[in-house]
Amino acid sequence: GENVEQHPSTLSVQEGDSAVIKCTYSDSASNYFPWYKQELGKRPQLIIDIRSNVGEKKDQRIAVTLNKTAKHFSLHITETQPEDSAVYFCAADQFYFGTGTSLTVIP
Amino acid sequence: GAVVSQHPSRVICKSGTSVKIECRSLDFQATTMFWYRQFPKKSLMLMATSNEGSKATYEQGVEKDKFLINHASLTLSTLTVTSAHPEDSSFYICSASSAGASYNEQFFGPGTRLTVL
Repeated sequence: GENVEQHPSTLSVQEGDSAVIKCTYSDSASNYFPWYKQELGKRPQLIIDIRSNVGEKKDQRIAVTLNKTAKHFSLHITETQPEDSAVYFCAADQFYFGTGTSLTVIP
Repeated sequence: GAVVSQHPSRVICKSGTSVKIECRSLDFQATTMFWYRQFPKKSLMLMATSNEGSKATYEQGVEKDKFLINHASLTLSTLTVTSAHPEDSSFYICSASSAGASYNEQFFGPGTRLTVL
């Protein structure tokens, strides 16, 4: 089955700086890569997704890039704000989640 | 947006008892529902996929006799943890998707915190 790895596990940035989270996957047949934000004790919320026919997608301060050849994809958050603090999960093919990155934005 | 509810939000039970968790899609028909479990500070692990009116498909390593899933209608799926033991304590989250929604998109319920004493 699919194996998704995510790095880093924790990330602290100063408010206004950028944050980058990276994921790799194993199954070359995977073609859908969502990113979720989960606050403590809450449900995961989809923040952005990308499909295999696209290399990059942007939504305001959030962008995702995908390299199908290398089987890795990344989440970029620019101009971080304290409310961006949460755990972020990548996923491959909808169901197979990465191990999560706890992001802390320091005011 | 699509809303998914779960009930109960928290449950504490004694070892050996069974616990039923409900997952409902409130404003759309969920052709497929998914059940995950999440350990503290860990990722979501897919347990099973259920389609309305058919048997659930379980992920490798998940005991189907232990975790009974029923998807009796297009708005309701239930997960029953049978003969629960302390190691079953976890956060259980359901999600639902619809044939009418954006391809692959799933909507998560708020989760159920199960504690087995």
